[in-house]
Amino acid sequence: DSGVTQTPKHLITATGQRVTLRCSPRSGDLSVYWYQQSLDQGLQFLIQYYNGEERAKGNILERFSAQQFPDLHSELNLSSLELGDSALYFCASSAGTSGVQETQYFGPGTRLLVL
Amino acid sequence: QQQVKQSPQSLIVQKGGISIINCAYENTAFDYFPWYQQFPGKGPALLIAIRPDVSEKKEGRFTISFNKSAKQFSLHIMDSQPGDSATYFCAAREDMRFGAGTRLTVKP
Repeated sequence: DSGVTQTPKHLITATGQRVTLRCSPRSGDLSVYWYQQSLDQGLQFLIQYYNGEERAKGNILERFSAQQFPDLHSELNLSSLELGDSALYFCASSAGTSGVQETQYFGPGTRLLVL
Repeated sequence: QQQVKQSPQSLIVQKGGISIINCAYENTAFDYFPWYQQFPGKGPALLIAIRPDVSEKKEGRFTISFNKSAKQFSLHIMDSQPGDSATYFCAAREDMRFGAGTRLTVKP
């Protein structure tokens, strides 16, 4: 158990809809990362937040957005969903104090299926 | 845009054998190279990592070899066990680029 929790575990929705994925980092971790894992794209970095502020941006679509709240939990919002958005979405956290050379701890993921 | 190329895509090894997974990167600004292990239904977990100022790092049966001039690094799993069967991802930090993954199967 990494200490990172994600809800829900599974999500089934229809095209055009909007969903929110939630992540609680390990106790004390300030950085939260979001990744998308699909069969044909591997593990793609989406976005990183550090102590409430956006720190780094990867291949995140404009239809997707994220935020980190004062209690450090984070939400990833996916809107106007398309079939191709079906994937596993992982959240990871790290202490966030020493730059890039930090261990990231991954949550169990949310499996999204868009029908 | 894949800046970290990982091979092979899949690998089958007999128990007790050596598993070797290779990664190549493009951006010389990358300064931290972790390997993650992912079991089915679980999130990736850090296995071992290396910085570019060393050429090799060993932790138990797992070794990373790093060739800075060739911009390549590899994971060696010695005495591979069926419990090592998982998907392995290399990564190059700075902007969290991951390789496409290698599915390792260790046959008993």
